[in-house]
Amino acid sequence: QVQLQESGPGLVRPSETLSLTCAISNGSISNYHWAWIRQPPGRGLEWIGYVSYTGDTSYNPSLKSRVTISIGTSRNQFSLKLTSVTAADTAVYFCARAITGTSAYDIWGQGTMVTVS
Amino acid sequence: QSALIQPASVSGSPGQSITISCTGTSHDVGLYKYVAWIQHHPGRAPKLMIYDVNNRPSGVSNRFSGSKSGNTASLTISGLQADDEADYYCTSFTNIGTYVFGIGTKVTVL
Repeated sequence: QVQLQESGPGLVRPSETLSLTCAISNGSISNYHWAWIRQPPGRGLEWIGYVSYTGDTSYNPSLKSRVTISIGTSRNQFSLKLTSVTAADTAVYFCARAITGTSAYDIWGQGTMVTVS
Repeated sequence: QSALIQPASVSGSPGQSITISCTGTSHDVGLYKYVAWIQHHPGRAPKLMIYDVNNRPSGVSNRFSGSKSGNTASLTISGLQADDEADYYCTSFTNIGTYVFGIGTKVTVL
């Protein structure tokens, strides 16, 4: 059973960089897209972007100038970096797997809360 | 990209059927078959219920079904059960190669 687990600081200072990692257990990175989605308090889900197993990326236009999603060198994890954060970036951050060529975001992490303050 | 439009809330009694709509544009929902529905119980990992408009992942009850007409996709839950009470989000691929989520619908089982 493939599992995803987010990790990273729960508190980030304004103007600094938010960095999160998603560890992939019991699965291969191949043939999937690896995505980050967030949920601000009291609000809905927001798609941040993904990295494919080939290294190609796609980002939400509203975040594109500040976001980098990449696959780790060990290829059993991927990461999110969001620069110049503000209070508006406070959210629960989820990592997820999507089957390439479909809309199937089929595996999700539990999520990790990040507060910018 | 603008969030897809969903009703804020939908409710029904146990055993009834409900339908949640998801309205986008000709640049997303109306353009592709890549529409999915996500169930989210707060505090838990979100769960994929429907993908590519009307496909159910293994293990998802056949009480959940999806459809699309024009720029609007729909999720129908039949035989409503207490555990169906959750937030539901649609998501669609877009013409610029990104995904966009709906604003979310809170389903209440009366």
